[in-house]
Amino acid sequence: AQKITQTQPGMFVQEKEAVTLDCTYDTSDQSYGLFWYKQPSSGEMIFLIYQGSYDEQNATEGRYSLNFQKARKSANLVISASQLGDSAMYFCAMREPYASNTGNQFYFGTGTSLTVIP
Amino acid sequence: DTAVSQTPKYLVTQMGNDKSIKCEQNLGHDTMYWYKQDSKKFLKIMFSYNNKELIINETVPNRFSPKSPDKAHLNLHINSLELGDSAVYFCASSQDYSLAGTSTDTQYFGPGTRLTVL
Repeated sequence: AQKITQTQPGMFVQEKEAVTLDCTYDTSDQSYGLFWYKQPSSGEMIFLIYQGSYDEQNATEGRYSLNFQKARKSANLVISASQLGDSAMYFCAMREPYASNTGNQFYFGTGTSLTVIP
Repeated sequence: DTAVSQTPKYLVTQMGNDKSIKCEQNLGHDTMYWYKQDSKKFLKIMFSYNNKELIINETVPNRFSPKSPDKAHLNLHINSLELGDSAVYFCASSQDYSLAGTSTDTQYFGPGTRLTVL
């Protein structure tokens, strides 16, 4: 099973509008972290926002907020007041506790390409 | 000051050659990683080091050998390069690896190295 699922390969949003990028995750651990990264066309990976599994409030960072619904295992990214510079690839990721039998504890989704239309 | 730096940014080489990519972080983090991003933008972890010790070694050909001279550096050496090695390689670091569900999970990425094997 996929650990991180991003079902929207591409999204369009009008400048100044809000947009929600979907992310669902799969884990049986109680302790985990959820992240969103932005990858513009220049290629770098930019950390946007973090949500811990024990955090009761949704994380917010400026125009970014993470809509964390633990029971539904979803961690959607909401970008408010979209700007042209928001056009990029967005990756959802999850961190599970390290385990000697699985090793790999950081998983990325396949990404959503966001285009902001002027 | 760049938090996570990689050199070179671009690397073009012939099949069969040996090459190295260097990574340095000045964040004081204990854990460093190498990721490969393929042409479809899929990110996959390759290696993880904690305080110079290997903790994750995903199924990667043994032509790839990471080396960590100290906890601020994690270099990637690739022997006998193949066409399929063409990708973008990212170095990343985080404060620690043992915990999950805390903000210390956050990984910070270098700018990436685009490797092209001809």
